[in-house]
Amino acid sequence: DVKVTQSSRYLVKRTGEKVFLECVQDMDHENMFWYRQDPGLGLRLIYFSYDVKMKEKGDIPEGYSVSREKKERFSLILESASTNQTSMYLCASSERAFYGYTFGSGTRLTVV
Amino acid sequence: EDKVVQSPLSLVVHEGDTVTLNCSYEVTNFRSLLWYKQEKKAPTFLFMLTSSGIEKKSGRLSSILDKKELFSILNITATQTGDSAIYLCAVVDRGSTLGRLYFGRGTQLTVWP
Repeated sequence: DVKVTQSSRYLVKRTGEKVFLECVQDMDHENMFWYRQDPGLGLRLIYFSYDVKMKEKGDIPEGYSVSREKKERFSLILESASTNQTSMYLCASSERAFYGYTFGSGTRLTVV
Repeated sequence: EDKVVQSPLSLVVHEGDTVTLNCSYEVTNFRSLLWYKQEKKAPTFLFMLTSSGIEKKSGRLSSILDKKELFSILNITATQTGDSAIYLCAVVDRGSTLGRLYFGRGTQLTVWP
């Protein structure tokens, strides 16, 4: 069964901390995505990647960066966490263009 | 502005009711529309629709696409408390990088016993 695994379900961090959210997929998918989900706003795309070391900005990249050193792993980095980054973060992967996504279980991040 | 608009944003019904969730879209070069169900965690795939007028069905859930009017509906008959979830609609734009999905804001469905 296809799996996308996010390392933490719940995370509490302090303002100004550097935060790493990890996502691993075991399907050899080329494309990986990071979304944040907020009530009333739906899913908003932060960054995506279509190959190792390749990345593209999504709709709301400010305050975030990403890393993809290996095909199976896509990391989201909050350089200096702020309270407005408190959110649910969802990672997803897809086999190739135009295919639906497989999602991870999400990381609920609280920045205090 | 939103490329995908879902309505209603929130819905409360009683067990046994039938519900219809709506999704309208506006993309340059439509390829497909997907429905997901999200309970406490990861969204799970329900349907992918690419052709107008062909109903997709899975148990009590069904969905249909109208490419002329640019919308889709998701029907749930004889609702159960386990249907309580956020239902997400997403559209693939052929013209976008990677065929990325554009999501609506979701419909929060609550089914009371």
